[in-house]
Amino acid sequence: DQQVKQNSPSLSVQEGRISILNCDYTNSMFDYFLWYKKYPAEGPTFLISISSIKDKNEDGRFTVFLNKSAKHLSLHIVPSQPGDSAVYFCAASSASGTYKYIFGTGTRLKVLA
Amino acid sequence: GAGVSQSPSNKVTEKGKDVELRCDPISGHTALYWYRQRLGQGLEFLIYFQGNSAPDKSGLPSDRFSAERTGESVSTLTIQRTQQEDSAVYLCASRYQLTDTQYFGPGTRLTVL
Repeated sequence: DQQVKQNSPSLSVQEGRISILNCDYTNSMFDYFLWYKKYPAEGPTFLISISSIKDKNEDGRFTVFLNKSAKHLSLHIVPSQPGDSAVYFCAASSASGTYKYIFGTGTRLKVLA
Repeated sequence: GAGVSQSPSNKVTEKGKDVELRCDPISGHTALYWYRQRLGQGLEFLIYFQGNSAPDKSGLPSDRFSAERTGESVSTLTIQRTQQEDSAVYLCASRYQLTDTQYFGPGTRLTVL
């Protein structure tokens, strides 16, 4: 049972436009969410996070939105740049103290110059 | 370097052989995680170490998999009698106790022939 789902395996966006990556989850106990970016042959790198007490968190070009009632979060990148081309994973955890992440399957973003 | 390191970067082995993968976490990080990423899949949690507490082994797929960590330093993940379905990238991550974010190493790509 996939508790965290990224239903779009890939996304192509023109440079300068907005990229929107989506993530859905099923476990209502999740209260902390993260986005990681992964380049080929490298480990995932942390991008941005949000706790369930907020519905938006912004860091430069990256904004994460959380809709708890819909169990949905999204990552907005604006403006998109060619260097943003990577695989993006969303992850969720619950406040059990272990921060054991449940990851989605990833969305491959390609930003076209 | 201050990041998480893993060795070897690549490992090719024959079915039935044992393999040992190593992770050096960031100094001072008390929590250490192992994940596995099979081709086209998300990251799958395997095991979690926190200080001197008993590890959370709930993600280990079979008793052929084991991991050790000495104190707050190096961890080794051992896979005995490897099978072709064990082929994956094995990722290690560490986390400082008072924060939420895990920092990943570059991974070890394991290929079982």
